[in-house]
Amino acid sequence: DAKTTQPNSMESNEEEPVHLPCNHSTISGTDYIHWYRQLPSQGPEYVIHGLTSNVNNRMASLAIAEDRKSSTLILHRATLRDAAVYYCILRGYYGGSQGNLIFGKGTKLSVKP
Amino acid sequence: AAGVIQSPRHLIKEKRETATLKCYPIPRHDTVYWYQQGPGQDPQFLISFYEKMQSDKGSIPDRFSAQQFSDYHSELNMSSLELGDSALYFCASSLMRTPNTEAFFGQGTRLTVV
Repeated sequence: DAKTTQPNSMESNEEEPVHLPCNHSTISGTDYIHWYRQLPSQGPEYVIHGLTSNVNNRMASLAIAEDRKSSTLILHRATLRDAAVYYCILRGYYGGSQGNLIFGKGTKLSVKP
Repeated sequence: AAGVIQSPRHLIKEKRETATLKCYPIPRHDTVYWYQQGPGQDPQFLISFYEKMQSDKGSIPDRFSAQQFSDYHSELNMSSLELGDSALYFCASSLMRTPNTEAFFGQGTRLTVV
């Protein structure tokens, strides 16, 4: 499985934008970049995903580098409820293992009031 | 909207006992994934099913088995439980197992082995 690298932790102030980086230098052409987050004591929650173009939804934006070797999850205005572990996951076709979500080490985001 | 339902939410078992965890995917979802998350750990992929057939195996111990039934619900059977099996077990479902779909997770079953 292709690997991702994320900072262990980040801090943000409430109501400020947050940029969470992810490096995936070994990404293949058919890998989708997915972001999930996990709030304390809850199951992981889908945030956003994309292939090549930047993506926006009600939760966040995903900015994908032109060479696709890195991406950034953008939370436009952090709230206390956004404090969670954020996982950047490559999801692709690996033989018969289609579409499995393999979690690596995510980024623990702390939001200060 | 209906979500992924897991039962039970909490389970306490003794060493060497067996446990069965159940997962009810979102209606019309045909793919189910199981994960184990130990204290302070990231979720570890155990096994997945697509259209009632096992599609991939991760780090699932031989003492564990799972299946997906005709109504698409799935059960994770765990035998000869060990203290180290104490963890949160998550189930997720998606529509098709392609990389361009999102997966939805349940709230998890907290298993405590004493």
